[in-house]
Amino acid sequence: QKEVEQDPGPLSVPEGAIVSLNCTYSNSAFQYFMWYRQYSRKGPELLMYTYSSGNKEDGRFTAQVDKSSKYISLFIRDSQPSDSATYLCAMTTNFGNEKLTFGTGTRLTIIP
Amino acid sequence: DAEITQSPRHKITETGRQVTLACHQTWNHNNMFWYRQDLGHGLRLIHYSYGVQDTNKGEVSDGYSVSRSNTEDLPLTLESAASSQTSVYFCASSESPRGGVPETQYFGPGTRLLVL
Repeated sequence: QKEVEQDPGPLSVPEGAIVSLNCTYSNSAFQYFMWYRQYSRKGPELLMYTYSSGNKEDGRFTAQVDKSSKYISLFIRDSQPSDSATYLCAMTTNFGNEKLTFGTGTRLTIIP
Repeated sequence: DAEITQSPRHKITETGRQVTLACHQTWNHNNMFWYRQDLGHGLRLIHYSYGVQDTNKGEVSDGYSVSRSNTEDLPLTLESAASSQTSVYFCASSESPRGGVPETQYFGPGTRLLVL
């Protein structure tokens, strides 16, 4: 069983819809949770980062962490065609351990 | 502007050949990482370095080696290329952690390697 599980999709939604992307994990030591966005034929770029449980909002994006369920989510409101990309969750344990464990990524397409 | 570059961007080689992929960053970051990305597996860590002369094995290090002789560069060498090493390779760098939180990893554009 992988430490981090992520539905690979692909996921297609119409423009303006709310998108929900999710990851589950098995290692209870994970404390820092990130979402990376990767456009086609590009390197991943950090979208959002959260620590421990709770929510974090940045514009149209909201990241949620539920450590009790070992479940993290990324919500995209008012989705735009420019949001079409692969979204990867990543996580790590305590600070100083810079090794990230990534999910497989979910390919998202926003249909105009 | 500071950046991280990889070369070559595309490479075709034959099994058994030695291949070196270059990674260069101008942020003066201490930490550098090499990942491979394959369908169904996501990004998997190959090797990483926390500073000059420091190298560590990652999740999938067999058949790969790295050396860190300066802050800016972390070349990845495939000692004897195998078809299973056909993949997209990403280099990343980050600053040393400060303030008790992990620092953002910045990724290069990737190198597509095909081993025939």
